[in-house]
Amino acid sequence: DAKTTQPPSMDCAEGRAANLPCNHSTISGNEYVYWYRQIHSQGPQYIIHGLKNNETNEMASLIITEDRKSSTLILPHATLRDTAVYYCIVRAKVETSGSRLTFGEGTQLTVNP
Amino acid sequence: DTEVTQTPKHLVMGMTNKKSLKCEQHMGHRAMYWYKQKAKKPPELMFVYSYEKLSINESVPSRFSPECPNSSLLNLHLHALQPEDSALYLCASRNRKEGTEAFFGQGTRLTVV
Repeated sequence: DAKTTQPPSMDCAEGRAANLPCNHSTISGNEYVYWYRQIHSQGPQYIIHGLKNNETNEMASLIITEDRKSSTLILPHATLRDTAVYYCIVRAKVETSGSRLTFGEGTQLTVNP
Repeated sequence: DTEVTQTPKHLVMGMTNKKSLKCEQHMGHRAMYWYKQKAKKPPELMFVYSYEKLSINESVPSRFSPECPNSSLLNLHLHALQPEDSALYLCASRNRKEGTEAFFGQGTRLTVV
């Protein structure tokens, strides 16, 4: 699976959009981009994933560049409860014998009042 | 039911004890994972089970022994642990279909004394 690079920390004002970048320049055509977040001492929570097209769900939007080498997770109206570590993960589309889900260092997002 | 249930939530054990961590899901997922997470670090993959067979062991010491007795249950047997094994142990499961997300439990906080 391709390696990802994220900034270690970001701040955002409550009510504003939070834009979290992720670089995955070695991504291959058969790999998805997944985003998870982990609120302090809880299990990671799935947010969204995509292959080529931009995706949106009730939690967030995922923008993937045309060359697929980077992506941005957008939380449109951040709240204090969105303070968490956000992980961008690249994973192969085709399953081998149980595929790895490997976490990088992630970005600590702090939403300030 | 989209829950992964881990028991116990907290465990304190001595270095000569034998204990087990339990993980259960009823989503019909056929891939299950154990992760170890130290404070302020990302989750680290330990084991992957696919269709109840061990498919990935990330060179984990033998004092950690996983078991998957059926498709809903995953155990982690612990024996002769060291204080440095104290961590949050996370279980996850996912459907093996292409492009599906993993669901995580809330973890077991293990302290080895």
